[in-house]
Amino acid sequence: GESVGLHLPTLSVQEGDNSIINCAYSNSASDYFIWYKQESGKGPQFIIDIRSNMDKRQGQRVTVLLNKTVKHLSLQIAATQPGDSAVYFCAENRGGKLIFGQGTELSVKP
Amino acid sequence: SQTIHQWPATLVQPVGSPLSLECTVEGTSNPNLYWYRQAAGRGLQLLFYSVGIGQISSEVPQNLSASRPQDRQFILSSKKLLLSDSGFYLCAWSDRGHFGKLFFGSGTQLSVL
Repeated sequence: GESVGLHLPTLSVQEGDNSIINCAYSNSASDYFIWYKQESGKGPQFIIDIRSNMDKRQGQRVTVLLNKTVKHLSLQIAATQPGDSAVYFCAENRGGKLIFGQGTELSVKP
Repeated sequence: SQTIHQWPATLVQPVGSPLSLECTVEGTSNPNLYWYRQAAGRGLQLLFYSVGIGQISSEVPQNLSASRPQDRQFILSSKKLLLSDSGFYLCAWSDRGHFGKLFFGSGTQLSVL
């Protein structure tokens, strides 16, 4: 079946390094993607989104890349900080509903 | 600015008891409203969504129901809770016509014992 999934369930990085979190999707008709950050015990927070007519979008310290050829989405976090430690979800707009992947836990080592 | 309120933050209920979780949104009109459930260490599962008062779409068959008695109020209910209803419940909203960009509440951790 169709799914939105993540390549790695956990990611550990050194403070100050760049982080890359990956996501694969299988529905080639999906036209909108979002990354969320969820800290323990809290609701997900919107980070950045991208439409399928774009390949790249940048925010503050974050960049989302979309490769429609291989149906791959990534979130890059520059100069990772301890406050970036959280679970990151990619989500796909599929027919008007937001479908979430399972999440990647990012751990930042001081 | 828009805000979303969800309560209670935690809830412990016995099996077979009823449930009512409430969510309200401020600062916007005619929002789309959603209920998601998140099992420990897993992703979010869409339970219900609503595009207007009294309009509820159910995504999965289950022991739960939802209602939208007012434009900015969304309620998740159950007549008799099951152990499997335990989880982290999240309410969310999006602008009418913009289904993708959701804004989430702080969640309710429900434990059914």
